Amino acid sequence: NAGVTQTPKFRILKIGQSMTLQCTQDMNHNYMYWYRQDPGMGLKLIYYSVGAGITDKGEVPNGYNVSRSTTEDFPLRLELAAPSQTSVYFCASSSGPPALGQPQHFGDGTRLSIL
Amino acid sequence: TQLLEQSPQFLSIQEGENLTVYCNSSSVFSSLQWYRQEPGEGPVLLVTVVTGGEVKKLKRLTFQFGDARKDSSLHITAAQPGDTGLYLCAGTDSWGKFQFGAGTQVVVTP
Repeated sequence: NAGVTQTPKFRILKIGQSMTLQCTQDMNHNYMYWYRQDPGMGLKLIYYSVGAGITDKGEVPNGYNVSRSTTEDFPLRLELAAPSQTSVYFCASSSGPPALGQPQHFGDGTRLSIL
Repeated sequence: TQLLEQSPQFLSIQEGENLTVYCNSSSVFSSLQWYRQEPGEGPVLLVTVVTGGEVKKLKRLTFQFGDARKDSSLHITAAQPGDTGLYLCAGTDSWGKFQFGAGTQVVVTP
């Protein structure tokens, strides 16, 4: 019953460093998403993917990059970490599009601090 | 811009009381979902509503989708400490834009 697995759970970065947040799912879902959650702001969509090899920008993509080489994996890359990227990052997957009411399954998040 | 407005932002009640949280928008939604998020975890889906006027019940939770499909409410009867969490609504509007609301933090004290 792994579902959506995110690593690492916690990370502290210095300004200007880079890192990759890993996300993998074992449900064979085509749709995958990256969100960030800031206090009182809900979840903001960073990037999403509708299948292997296809990615698209969400609401707040600046400063991030993604790739989707396999159905299972959807890593999120921060190239030049900035304090504004301090947040909790959630990866999610679904079998179909949100427009059809398909449920999204979330990982437990990565708590990232940029100092 | 926030497509979905949730109210109140924070709600603290005693065990056994009832509560209602709201999710409103000026846009029409093809579907709307409610999630609950507990500290240190990701959101978990509670329900999806797709038909205007639809009412769904999940034990002590009652979800209603407005007739015009622009708003929704979540009512909890006889709240328990286990109901504590962040309640998020999420929906897709007629333009295909999907967004989460900012959430309502509910705290139920024994």
